[in-house]
This record gives sequence, structure tokens and C-alpha cells, in this order.
Amino acid sequence: SLELTQPPSVSVPPGQTVSITCSGNQLGEKYISWYQLRPGQSPLMVIHQDDKRPSEIPARFSGSNSGNTATLTISGTQALDEADYFCQAWDGTTVVFGGGTKLTVL
Amino acid sequence: VQLVESGGGLVQPGGSLRLSCAASGFTFSTSWMTWVRQAPGRGLEWVANIKPEGEKTYYVDSLKGRFTISRDNAKKSVFLQLNSLRVEDTAVYYCARQYSSSPHYGMDVWGQGTTVTVSS
Repeated sequence: SLELTQPPSVSVPPGQTVSITCSGNQLGEKYISWYQLRPGQSPLMVIHQDDKRPSEIPARFSGSNSGNTATLTISGTQALDEADYFCQAWDGTTVVFGGGTKLTVL
Repeated sequence: VQLVESGGGLVQPGGSLRLSCAASGFTFSTSWMTWVRQAPGRGLEWVANIKPEGEKTYYVDSLKGRFTISRDNAKKSVFLQLNSLRVEDTAVYYCARQYSSSPHYGMDVWGQGTTVTVSS
């Protein structure tokens, strides 16, 4: 079955660019979504279908997916971007989430 | 566009709960719906999906047989029946809509969550 692997944590200074990876077997053949999860809030979709942003998501969020790795990139990172980020895919019968990456803006 | 969950609470191990999720602002009857949970200090865990007409359901293997997803399109609601509850089922349970009526595209609308606590 599909497994999605994310780094447990990443950190970035304010204003810089950060990338969060999501690895899985032949991931490039599936659509990947990314969610932001802040404490006490519901998950928020920030990327769907690998690289598409919902209208309410700032342009500094972007995504890519190729080979065995999907990547969420945040450009000009802001303090309010500090949160947990989860990748997700559908493998035909199950929804699979990555373990999540805690983004710290310091 | 909104999803509102209800039905959570404190239950003893072995007990049951029925969670509800009321939808508004979109065409519910054509939407795949999903339940996802987050245990304290843990990540997101998918629980179940249901197709628009309810004709097919999908579950995470570890919960098959204890949890049941269902829907009532006339009431624009999706449900999650939780049986034989265990302490490790303690979590915030979210319902979500699958984007563009497909499970391939992710979940674009989420409820506020309802908390289930299993404890004696």
C-alpha cells in the first residue's frame, strides 16, 4: 500500500523560501494535495492536483510532483505560515496522508 | 459553503456514538464525502469515504467493522457510526468534501470538527 513520507520538521527565517517534501513510490503518477493545520483550527487545503492553488490561498504557496517526490514550496515565508503541513493522495481505494511536517518560522 | 459536525462527546470504552455532518451551500448529492480524524498530538488520519449516492464506501483497514459511514442526501448529511470504541479512538473528527466530486483531487471544504473522548 502507498506510504507518504515527510520530514518531521523544517525551519525557515521570515521572508525566505522553504520546501517541504513528500516521498512515495511512483508518487508522480498520482495527484497530491497539501493541507495546512494550525493548532485549534480545521485543516486548510493549500494545494490540490499537485500544483493548483485554491483561490483564497496566497500565491507564495506552490506545489510540484514528479517521480517519487512531491514538494510544497512557500516563498517569502511569513510568521502566519507557521503550522503543520500534510501531503495526501488517493490510491484508488484509500486516502493516504503523510505524517506531517512542522514548519517553524524563526 | 459549510460543513457542521455534531454528536461528539465523552463515552466509555466499548460504547457507541453517531457523528453527524450537515452540509450547506453546495450540491451535496453529487459530492464524495470523507471523515478524517486527528488524535491528540498526532497527525491526520483518514477514516472513511462515501460516494455521492452512497452506493460504495471505503474505510481505513484498521477501522473496518467498527465504524460505518452513511449519508442522507435529502437531509444533506453524512454520518459516522462509531462502535466498540477504544481509548485510542479519542480524537477530533472532521468531515470534509472531496473537491470537484472526485477522491483524486483532495478535500477542499472541512467542518470545524467534533471531539470524541473515550475514557472510563
